[in-house]
Amino acid sequence: DAGVIQSPRHEVTEMGQEVTLRCKPISGHNSLFWYRQTMMRGLELLIYFNNNVPIDDSGMPEDRFSAKMPNASFSTLKIQPSEPRDSAVYFCASSFGGWVDEKLFFGSGTQLSVL
Amino acid sequence: DQQVKQNSPSLSVQEGRISILNCDYTNSMFDYFLWYKKYPAEGPTFLISISSIKDKNEDGRFTVFLNKSAKHLSLHIVPSQPGDSAVYFCAASASGTYKYIFGTGTRLKVLA
Repeated sequence: DAGVIQSPRHEVTEMGQEVTLRCKPISGHNSLFWYRQTMMRGLELLIYFNNNVPIDDSGMPEDRFSAKMPNASFSTLKIQPSEPRDSAVYFCASSFGGWVDEKLFFGSGTQLSVL
Repeated sequence: DQQVKQNSPSLSVQEGRISILNCDYTNSMFDYFLWYKKYPAEGPTFLISISSIKDKNEDGRFTVFLNKSAKHLSLHIVPSQPGDSAVYFCAASASGTYKYIFGTGTRLKVLA
């Protein structure tokens, strides 16, 4: 199994530009999570999908952030317009059931730098 | 407000000695706890977990201890090896939910 696949690995963009991060979860997993890692706040949950449906987006910081999951094998996280404070590592994770006591499998992350 | 706190940003330990990583939480509803390990340029990987019905869980060189009254858990690594050098995240969740709350991480360096 290839694991959770994220692209791009690195993204450098200028303030005001649109950024799209992509994720392919592990086949057979029906829950998908987007996390953001910063030094100050650690790993923050941004949004959670179950069976392609957004269940909880309370962690999405602002309307500039949006996420979609058009099918079971693909999800995107979009930031428009991007700002320097959005610079962070963004992780996608998937799990089989999405409940507590299920392991999360993380992708390698996207390092985003907004200049 | 950080519900899960890892107050030590970094820790250095000699190879062969014990590493103790600490984690505190504030939400009394949390009843399931995990530790994840993260190497540079990789995503976090699951290491060990513990349910609130236990106070200890062991897996090889890794042991997690839970003190519910103090709302504190710790990860012990014995003996520590250079390959254990990584960032360790503590996470907590409540039954019936999907939301893991992670701490800010502790960077462990095991010196050869």
